[in-house]
Amino acid sequence: GESVGLHLPTLSVQEGDNSIINCAYSNSASDYFIWYKQESGKGPQFIIDIRSNMDKRQGQRVTVLLNKTVKHLSLQIAATQPGDSAVYFCAETLNSGYSTLTFGKGTMLLVSP
Amino acid sequence: DAMVIQNPRYQVTQFGKPVTLSCSQTLNHNVMYWYQQKSSQAPKLLFHYYDKDFNNEADTPDNFQSRRPNTSFCFLDIRSPGLGDAAMYLCATSRGEETQYFGPGTRLLVL
Repeated sequence: GESVGLHLPTLSVQEGDNSIINCAYSNSASDYFIWYKQESGKGPQFIIDIRSNMDKRQGQRVTVLLNKTVKHLSLQIAATQPGDSAVYFCAETLNSGYSTLTFGKGTMLLVSP
Repeated sequence: DAMVIQNPRYQVTQFGKPVTLSCSQTLNHNVMYWYQQKSSQAPKLLFHYYDKDFNNEADTPDNFQSRRPNTSFCFLDIRSPGLGDAAMYLCATSRGEETQYFGPGTRLLVL
């Protein structure tokens, strides 16, 4: 069967709270970043992206912040709902010139009603 | 309205018995990827096709092969599955360097 999985960092919040999920990325040359949401038994779903010429980008209930100085990315989810419960992955890539995605380790978000 | 389709969703095979997983897409994207994802881990890229050009990751075992007969379809062949190959296999597509979109995955069980 599968090898024993690692324990994912877990963030537990109450419904209606704001959630912040953090990610430290590895390559200072990366210039394009994506957050994916993965529900149990499903493929990763695109949430929001940001390019390195920006430090903030907002979507519907989600905001991504990029701090290139410390190679840090965060995803903020406003008014978290039970349907937001999932594993969240950040991913980085070099957009200038073709290269592939490098995924972070993932954070599990658990939302209690 | 599924855009990246993977079949089957669940696949059971026997140790050493070849298995093929399939992926199709309606996005007309020129890049298709195969990832392996084990429990509580991030997806791990196995290989990708950029148009017709095959790009294998350095640490992908020879046991894993891929075929892309046309723009819409891509296959993952596991020649001799071992117990350690049990995982979720994810297909993704993109238009060049743009965002990758994932299919629902195929869960492979090796008995």
